[in-house]
Amino acid sequence: SQQGEEDPQALSIQEGENATMNCSYKTSINNLQWYRQNSGRGLVHLILIRSNEREKHSGRLRVTLDTSKKSSSLLITASRAADTASYFCATAESTGTASKLTFGTGTRLQVTL
Amino acid sequence: DAGVIQSPRHEVTEMGQEVTLRCKPISGHNSLFWYRQTMMRGLELLIYFNNNVPIDDSGMPEDRFSAKMPNASFSTLKIQPSEPRDSAVYFCASSPRSGGRSSPLHFGNGTRLTVT
Repeated sequence: SQQGEEDPQALSIQEGENATMNCSYKTSINNLQWYRQNSGRGLVHLILIRSNEREKHSGRLRVTLDTSKKSSSLLITASRAADTASYFCATAESTGTASKLTFGTGTRLQVTL
Repeated sequence: DAGVIQSPRHEVTEMGQEVTLRCKPISGHNSLFWYRQTMMRGLELLIYFNNNVPIDDSGMPEDRFSAKMPNASFSTLKIQPSEPRDSAVYFCASSPRSGGRSSPLHFGNGTRLTVT
């Protein structure tokens, strides 16, 4: 079953603009991770934020986490055509088996020139 | 670092045939995961191993699916007999620490399975 739900399902922007994607989840988590998937390829890990963190940066990426609302957002600043991909959030639950990651439904990002 | 290697990249088979998907994780990684991706259901965790031992196979759809990890450098996912609804992209992923909640997954490029 899906733990995370990304919003929007699809996003189209122009190069140079910022892209914001949101993720909501249902259970208590240990951490939340964001992944990117290019067409026909496997997922690539972008960034991890722990449940006791509220914001994290990595290059042009900024992730926020609000555990009270069970939601996270991924912001890509100054987008490039190469950022065109699907983006997934994934949650590691705080109880039960430690290593299990559950992925959301994904946001398809299209960056045009 | 060669990354996670999956084979074959594409598999087309007829209903009722046995299908075997293969995965070589990154050397030194303790955990290995099998996921299935479809448009309708997204990414589903099928099974994962820690130190070659299956930990959680609750995502395996039914008895037609089985997975093994005979050693730290090799895993297989077998479907016997295959059905058209098994058509999907199957991903293998590995991570460095067994039981580590904060370990990112490293994915292979997947096997696209088509069952006719």
